[in-house]
Amino acid sequence: DGGITQSPKYLFRKEGQNVTLSCEQNLNHDAMYWYRQDPGQGLRLIYYSQIVNDFQKGDIAEGYSVSREKKESFPLTVTSAQKNPTAFYLCASSRPGLQETQYFGPGTRLLVL
Amino acid sequence: GQNIDQPTEMTATEGAIVQINCTYQTSGFNGLFWYQQHAGEAPTFLSYNVLDGLEEKGRFSSFLSRSKGYSYLLLKELQMKDSASYLCAVKKDGANNLFFGTGTRLTVIP
Repeated sequence: DGGITQSPKYLFRKEGQNVTLSCEQNLNHDAMYWYRQDPGQGLRLIYYSQIVNDFQKGDIAEGYSVSREKKESFPLTVTSAQKNPTAFYLCASSRPGLQETQYFGPGTRLLVL
Repeated sequence: GQNIDQPTEMTATEGAIVQINCTYQTSGFNGLFWYQQHAGEAPTFLSYNVLDGLEEKGRFSSFLSRSKGYSYLLLKELQMKDSASYLCAVKKDGANNLFFGTGTRLTVIP
């Protein structure tokens, strides 16, 4: 079945540590996105990529980095510069077109130890 | 920025009808999406409106008025499993991502 997978489901980060969240899709979608979800707030865009080897900062990119070496994969690294990383991280993908619906992965919950 | 407003919480009775409203202020409007999100899970796509009017899909319908910057999601014959958050999201011309409201948490009671 086609879909988007994210791993791990839960991730614990120690102070000063970088951690990487995985996102893989087999929907053959060109565009991929990373959102952060905090209680009481809407989803906020961290980074997005419209095509392989290209990505753009979203509204809250500071303290995060991404890569897009393959169409299927868009990993997100939460660096030690991100001072408040505890959140639910959602990856999404879409196919360019008139509607361009975004489909989401199951999410990774990041907690700081 | 985009101002997207939804009620924070709603409660409705099993078997009833509930309407969840969303208002937005944005330039270059290019479509509105509704997603359902159960606690701790991914948002799942429910509906898309880009033209004025009502889109019906089974028990769920979504309405859009572009001149009023207003949309609603109508859920009929409510079931307990409909207890979830409902997210309104707007797409803008020239923007690749969606802009989300804070979501409406719906609780269905027996």
